[in-house]
Amino acid sequence: QVHVVQSGAEVKKPGASVKVSCKGSGFNFLSHHVHWVRQAPGQGLQWMGLINPSGSTKKYAQKFQGRMTMSRDTSTSTVYMELSSLTSEDTAMYYCASQGGMGANYRDYWGQGTLVTVSS
Amino acid sequence: QSVLTQPPSASGTPGQRVTIACSGSSSNIGRNIVNWYQQVPGTAPKLLTYADNQRPSGVPDRFSDSKSGTSASLAISGLQPEDEADYYCAVWDDSLDGWVFGGGTKLTVL
Repeated sequence: QVHVVQSGAEVKKPGASVKVSCKGSGFNFLSHHVHWVRQAPGQGLQWMGLINPSGSTKKYAQKFQGRMTMSRDTSTSTVYMELSSLTSEDTAMYYCASQGGMGANYRDYWGQGTLVTVSS
Repeated sequence: QSVLTQPPSASGTPGQRVTIACSGSSSNIGRNIVNWYQQVPGTAPKLLTYADNQRPSGVPDRFSDSKSGTSASLAISGLQPEDEADYYCAVWDDSLDGWVFGGGTKLTVL
């Protein structure tokens, strides 16, 4: 059975960092690209970045360049996203989305989301 | 504002056909595959269609998509109450070198 499970909710103070994990199982997670997407309360989806299957290539949205870091642990099928210098504007639900395959074999699986609240 | 333009809202009655448009440019929709997602409030987005009218297993064929030039659209036929949700288009943008989303369309089933 396919599972993409993210770490639990976080409450952080302004200026702090948060690290969110995303673990895939039940499918070939190691061959998938993983995107990070966030959604502020009442708002739409915003792409943050992408890490390739080996972890050797990372692409970041310009907005997050310099304060976002993605990493991948193939031994545990887990991808991590760390966001630093948090402000109240970073309060949002953070999703990982695992994508792989082409054509009829294309697969697209999302985690359940991790709520990050930034508050003093 | 979003790189891809969607109408903020759409509505229809049960049984009707509804279409949601997504307008982009030559660097995104004009050259790459568009995904359509359904998001019920409080849940993660779910892939509906991709790669010119492909559907993941379990998605009914009431959902279909099309693309022409730099625009794409999602059609929902035989509208059902459970279709009430937010819908997003998404595509890779070669100029931005990133994934871009439409602003989302809130579908109301009257």
